[in-house]
Amino acid sequence: EADIYQTPRYLVIGTGKKITLECSQTMGHDKMYWYQQDPGMELHLIHYSYGVNSTEKGDLSSESTVSRIRTEHFPLTLESARPSHTSQYLCASSRAYNEQFFGPGTRLTVL
Amino acid sequence: GQSLEQPSEVTAVEGAIVQINCTYQTSGFYGLSWYQQHDGGAPTFLSYNALDGLEETGRFSSFLSRSDSYGYLLLQELQMKDSASYFCALMNSGYSTLTFGKGTMLLVSP
Repeated sequence: EADIYQTPRYLVIGTGKKITLECSQTMGHDKMYWYQQDPGMELHLIHYSYGVNSTEKGDLSSESTVSRIRTEHFPLTLESARPSHTSQYLCASSRAYNEQFFGPGTRLTVL
Repeated sequence: GQSLEQPSEVTAVEGAIVQINCTYQTSGFYGLSWYQQHDGGAPTFLSYNALDGLEETGRFSSFLSRSDSYGYLLLQELQMKDSASYFCALMNSGYSTLTFGKGTMLLVSP
């Protein structure tokens, strides 16, 4: 069973606040990913990492930033939250190229 | 760029067989994956086709035809718990990232 964790699970915050969504995995996977998913819609890749000190932007333009200082940790930060950032954020990791393990997600609401 | 098309919704009854189709446009890719996502849950990996043909995993099978830019997921002996959204996703060449389709909601009725 995959061991990938996200906190918080739910977050309601006001416009302009800085937030960090946490993602950790205990599987030793090199590759990690952040996706954004609106209800009933597809997953959009916003950031990914191939290992420590490696970060890349994904297909969907995002005002967020990520860091990868440790293999197991891949936090996502929004410097100034806006209502347009309201969505579900899913973190994933993989070792093999063909299977990604997803965390439970963080549902973010920006008022 | 890449794009994938799936039906938005499919309905079936318990015990039946259902096929969820996925057509795609891409300039290059490694393979086609399928993920299941229950409402409010995390996506979970179901199957991956790197080569043309059929891959079977229990009640689920997946098929890929590169020449037709087409794949499908076949679910047999449907159960109520199979009600979920199913996403096809292209494994992109070079970077091991996925591009997802919009998903197909499968509704299984008694």
